[in-house]
This record gives sequence, C-alpha cells and structure tokens, in this order.
Amino acid sequence: QVQLQQWGAGLLKPSETLSLTCAVYGGSFSGYYWSWIRQPPGKGLEWIGEINHSGSTNYNPSLKSRVTISVDTSKNQFSLKLSSVTAADTAVYYCARGLIVVVPAAISRSYNWFDPWGQGTLVTVSS
Amino acid sequence: SSELTQDPAVSVALGQTVRITCQGDSLRSYYASWYQQKPGQAPVLVIYGKNNRPSGIPDRFSGSSSGNTASLTITGAQAEDEADYYCNSRDSSGNLVFGGGTKLTVL
Repeated sequence: QVQLQQWGAGLLKPSETLSLTCAVYGGSFSGYYWSWIRQPPGKGLEWIGEINHSGSTNYNPSLKSRVTISVDTSKNQFSLKLSSVTAADTAVYYCARGLIVVVPAAISRSYNWFDPWGQGTLVTVSS
Repeated sequence: SSELTQDPAVSVALGQTVRITCQGDSLRSYYASWYQQKPGQAPVLVIYGKNNRPSGIPDRFSGSSSGNTASLTITGAQAEDEADYYCNSRDSSGNLVFGGGTKLTVL
C-alpha cells in the first residue's frame, strides 16, 4: 500500500521561499504524476503542479512563475518550492499521487485521479 | 475562480439518496474524479473514471456523467458521509482543476 509522508517549514515570512518534500513508500515511483495541492483555511482545493519520474513538469498557470517541483528518484521523493510567498499562500499543502488515463475520444473520455494523499502541512506566512 | 462549478451546500435525510453535481465544459471530454474530505483530514478519492470506486469505498457511492455535468450519488446516506466533496478534472486548457466543493449535511 502506497503511503506519502511530507514535511517542511510551517512558518514563513513574506518574500521567503516555501519548501516542502514528500516521500513515497511502498509502491512504484514511475508511471505516475506526483502532485502538490493546497487548501487555504476554510476554502477549496487548488492544484499547484505535478512531476513524473523523468522530471517532466506541469504547473498551474496562476502559480507557474513562482513554482518549482523537482524529483529525486533515488530517494523516491519529490519537492515543492514556492518563491516570494505572501499571506495569500497560507494554506495546508498536500502531496498526492496522480494518474492520467488518456482514452481516445472516439471510445470514451479521459480521466485523472489523485490517490493517496499525504497528511498535509500547514504553512503560515506572517511577518 | 474554478472552471468546475459545484453547489456550495447540499443536505440529505439519513438513509435517503443525494446527488452532488459538478458542471464544466471540460466535462464533455473528461470524466470527473470525486474526493471526500472530513474536517482536519486529507481528501480521499471516492470515484474516478466512468464510475469506479477505489478499494474500501462503500458501494453506496456511484458516479455518472451527462453532457457537461458530472454527478456523485450517495444511495442511502449515512451519518459518516457528512463531509465536503470535491470534483476534479481538467479545464479548457488541459490544466488540472478542482470544483469549489460541496458541503454535505446528513440530517
């Protein structure tokens, strides 16, 4: 059973860089996309970006200029860096395993899913 | 703002059936996945693809899709189903996106 365990600094000052790491235990690292997702207090989920085992990344356009996601396949870990944080970046940050299934439109519809998720890390940005 | 639209809140009587919907143009081409989130916990995948349940998810949870609308149906809602539910798919540009979430209250 795959488990994700994440860690990183929980309190940052404005303009600092958020840094989180997620370790994957008990399953294959290849064949999936590994995502970061965040949730501001009392609000909904926001996808930040993803990376696969070969280092190919996709980012949310609204965060792309500040986000870097990297992977260390030797440790089965992937990491998130978000630069120039402000109070608006205060949120619980989750890592998650993702899969995208592409199906020819003539046959059916494509789909994706996130499972499992890490335990979440509350990151607070405050001066 | 999200390109997937959900009703903010829905209620259901204990044991009755409830449908939670998610609307978006991208859902004409993509199936939604659905997540249950209880207070203080990480989201849990409950439905993915056309209508697939991960291991351990009760069969009272089901999914369907028609046009630009995806639906999560709970048949015989239980008290433990009270939670926030989020849909997820892709937006018109192909980026992953979540709906705004629906708070389900079981009366």
